[in-house]
Amino acid sequence: QVQLQESGPGLVKSSQTLSLTCTVSGASFDSGDYYWSWIRQPPGKGLEWIGCIYYSGSTYYNPSLKSRATISLDTSKSQFSLKVSSVTAADTAVYYCVRVQGYMRYYMDVWGKGTTVTVSS
Amino acid sequence: QSALTQPPSASGSPGQSVTISCTGTSSDVGDHNYVSWYQQHPGKAPKLMIYEVSKRPSGVPDRFSGSKSGNTASLTVSGLQTEDEADYYCSSYAGSNNFVFGTGTKVTVL
Repeated sequence: QVQLQESGPGLVKSSQTLSLTCTVSGASFDSGDYYWSWIRQPPGKGLEWIGCIYYSGSTYYNPSLKSRATISLDTSKSQFSLKVSSVTAADTAVYYCVRVQGYMRYYMDVWGKGTTVTVSS
Repeated sequence: QSALTQPPSASGSPGQSVTISCTGTSSDVGDHNYVSWYQQHPGKAPKLMIYEVSKRPSGVPDRFSGSKSGNTASLTVSGLQTEDEADYYCSSYAGSNNFVFGTGTKVTVL
């Protein structure tokens, strides 16, 4: 059974960099069948796709984040990570790591429980 | 890319049906048969309910069904049950390995 678990600081100061890690169990990053993605949800609001990474290391991002987001992969640790630079209060959200079924499928089938990140001034 | 448009709320009595729309553009919903739907209960992570417009994952009741016409996709919940009360989000592949979500719909079982 595939499981994803987010970890990282719950509080980040404004203008600094938010860093989160997702640890994956029960799945291999060597498979080209999936993308590994980050999705966030501000308090009381809807879901926003941040971006994803393919097993090859190729990355794809939501243009709205204006290059502030970086996703990386560490296959030796079965982890992928998210960094968001120059954070503001608008980056306060629950952050989910998610497995996305890949080519010619494109849906999110396994979600982590989410981790809350608050940006403080 | 702009969020897909969903009605903020929908409701129905137990046993009735409710349909939620999800309107996008010719670049996302209209161009790809990769619309999926997610159910989210308060404080929980979203759960996949429908993928590729109308397919149901194993374990999802057949009361949930999906369809698409042009730039608008729809989720229908038939035979509403109290446990169906939740927020529902659509999502569409938007090309070039990008994805977009809907604005979300709160379903209330009266």
